[in-house]
Amino acid sequence: DAEITQSPRHKITETGRQVTLACHQTWNHNNMFWYRQDLGHGLRLIHYSYGVQDTNKGEVSDGYSVSRSNTEDLPLTLESAASSQTSVYFCASSESTPAGDTQYFGPGTRLTVL
Amino acid sequence: SQKIEQNSEALNIQEGKTATLTCNYTNYSPAYLQWYRQDPGRGPVFLLLIRENEKEKRKERLKVTFDTTLKQSLFHITASQPADSATYLCALEAGYALNFGKGTSLLVTP
Repeated sequence: DAEITQSPRHKITETGRQVTLACHQTWNHNNMFWYRQDLGHGLRLIHYSYGVQDTNKGEVSDGYSVSRSNTEDLPLTLESAASSQTSVYFCASSESTPAGDTQYFGPGTRLTVL
Repeated sequence: SQKIEQNSEALNIQEGKTATLTCNYTNYSPAYLQWYRQDPGRGPVFLLLIRENEKEKRKERLKVTFDTTLKQSLFHITASQPADSATYLCALEAGYALNFGKGTSLLVTP
């Protein structure tokens, strides 16, 4: 069965360190997304990609970067982790259809920055 | 800017009753709207999609309405069960991406 996976599921790091969160999907979807979810804010879009070599900034992109070298993967990098980036991160993928784009979410990565 | 509002307070209902959740939006005219379910510690899961030219959509015990004049969607769960307890998110189309509301927590008690 097709799926979307994230790793690690839990990560503790220190401020200033570079952190990369992995996202891998086997749906063969063109579109991939990274969100963060915090109490009181809901899901906020960080970055998204509509295909290989395409990346776009979302609502809260400062301090984050992504790259898309193949269809299956969209790693999210925190260049210099800050305590404000402590959050739960979700990756999602979708395929564009005339009926609308349904997103399939990964299980999430809980990141703590100390 | 676009704004999506869902009931911020948790909704507590008794098993067997109908739960109704509200999603209001402003400054936007989405081509479609979706509802997702999220359980604690898990990612959201898609439930239903309704397009702007559809008034109502049903799937088993779930029903969604979409009023583009009122800029509102209602999400109904009939004959609710304790297993329906979760957070429900509405999401509005934004190109290939989605804008999510903050969600409403539903608790169904026996």
